[in-house]
Amino acid sequence: EVQLLESGGGLVQPGGSLRLSCAASGFTFSNYAMSWVRQAPGKGLDWVSAISDSGTNTYYADSVKGRFTISRDNSKNTVYLQMSGLRPEDTAVYFCAKETARGSMADYWGQGSLVTVSS
Amino acid sequence: DIQMTQSPSTLSASVGDRVTITCRASQSIDSLLAWYQQKAGKGPNLLIYQASTLHSGVPSRFSGSGSGTEFTLTISSLQPDDFATYYCQQYRGGWTFGQGTKVVIK
Repeated sequence: EVQLLESGGGLVQPGGSLRLSCAASGFTFSNYAMSWVRQAPGKGLDWVSAISDSGTNTYYADSVKGRFTISRDNSKNTVYLQMSGLRPEDTAVYFCAKETARGSMADYWGQGSLVTVSS
Repeated sequence: DIQMTQSPSTLSASVGDRVTITCRASQSIDSLLAWYQQKAGKGPNLLIYQASTLHSGVPSRFSGSGSGTEFTLTISSLQPDDFATYYCQQYRGGWTFGQGTKVVIK
């Protein structure tokens, strides 16, 4: 059974930093690209970032480019999202998702981790 | 960027109803469209990909159609477990999601 478990969310002040983790199990992690998608309270889904299976290639939404960094550790079956320069508009539940192939749709999603940016 | 427009934003229906949700792309995305179901406090679940292919384990009352810029998700006979929010997503160029359609009890 595929499982994705996000952690690391919490309350942070504007300008602060936070690192999200997503631990994967139930599939060969190193064979699949992974993405982060966020959902602001009461709003829709918004793609944030993606990383290729090897970690060589990374992709970002314009809204987070230069502030967020995606990475992965295939030995730990974990993908990360390092967030810095956080803004109130970054407040959202952050989901990690397993892609079927880089750039294709996501066949499994985690339950999400809430990030709140507020003073 | 490819924009996705979903309608309606809210749909009121009864158990047993046939329900249709529409998604329009701002440019052709061929058949590179997925549909997801999301329940409160949970991550999305994939229902359909490539516009009309049912994901493993998804009930056959769900179906998808369309290509190019116009797509539909149909639930042939609404069940109690189907009251949720539905999103379309294009993956022709990056990922863009529709605004969502919340299916509520009439």
